[in-house]
Amino acid sequence: DAGVIQSPRHEVTEMGQEVTLRCKPISGHNSLFWYRQTMMRGLELLIYFNNNVPIDDSGMPEDRFSAKMPNASFSTLKIQPSEPRDSAVYFCASSSRSALNEQFFGPGTRLTVL
Amino acid sequence: GDSVTQMEGPVTLSEEAFLTINCTYTATGYPSLFWYVQYPGEGLQLLLKATKADDKGSNKGFEATYRKETTSFHLEKGSVQVSDSAVYFCALSVGGNEKLTFGTGTRLTIIP
Repeated sequence: DAGVIQSPRHEVTEMGQEVTLRCKPISGHNSLFWYRQTMMRGLELLIYFNNNVPIDDSGMPEDRFSAKMPNASFSTLKIQPSEPRDSAVYFCASSSRSALNEQFFGPGTRLTVL
Repeated sequence: GDSVTQMEGPVTLSEEAFLTINCTYTATGYPSLFWYVQYPGEGLQLLLKATKADDKGSNKGFEATYRKETTSFHLEKGSVQVSDSAVYFCALSVGGNEKLTFGTGTRLTIIP
């Protein structure tokens, strides 16, 4: 298996622009998680889906952030408009009950908002 | 709510030293416990886990024992190597919930 795939790996954009991060979970996994990691705040869970349905979005920082999972093999995290404080590494992870809840992480997207 | 408290970092050790990274937890139910490792420039990956009291998880020379009486899951390794330099995260999940609660992470640096 290719593991969790994220794109792009790096994104540099200007304040006010829309940013879309993409994630392909491991085939057969039914849960998907979006995390944000910064030096100041550490690793934060933004939102997670189970069977394509958002279960907990309490970590989404504000209305500028939105996430979708239109099918079992694809999810997006969108920031509109982006701000410099959104600069971070964004990770996607997937898991399944049959794997006893082990989460498999993607390589991350490093976002820089100028 | 559920929470994980990890030993503050950073931790710097010489090669072949003994390592302990402390982790304690509070949980509303009966948790499963995990240690994840993040190497530079990569995502987190599972290092070891334990699902019930007194279980010992082990991998790559690392060990951790689920201690219900002290609500702890300390990570240990008898002889660290430079390649063990990474950030280590303790985490838990409760019941059938796949959501993980992570600690803040401990940065470990091993010097030759």
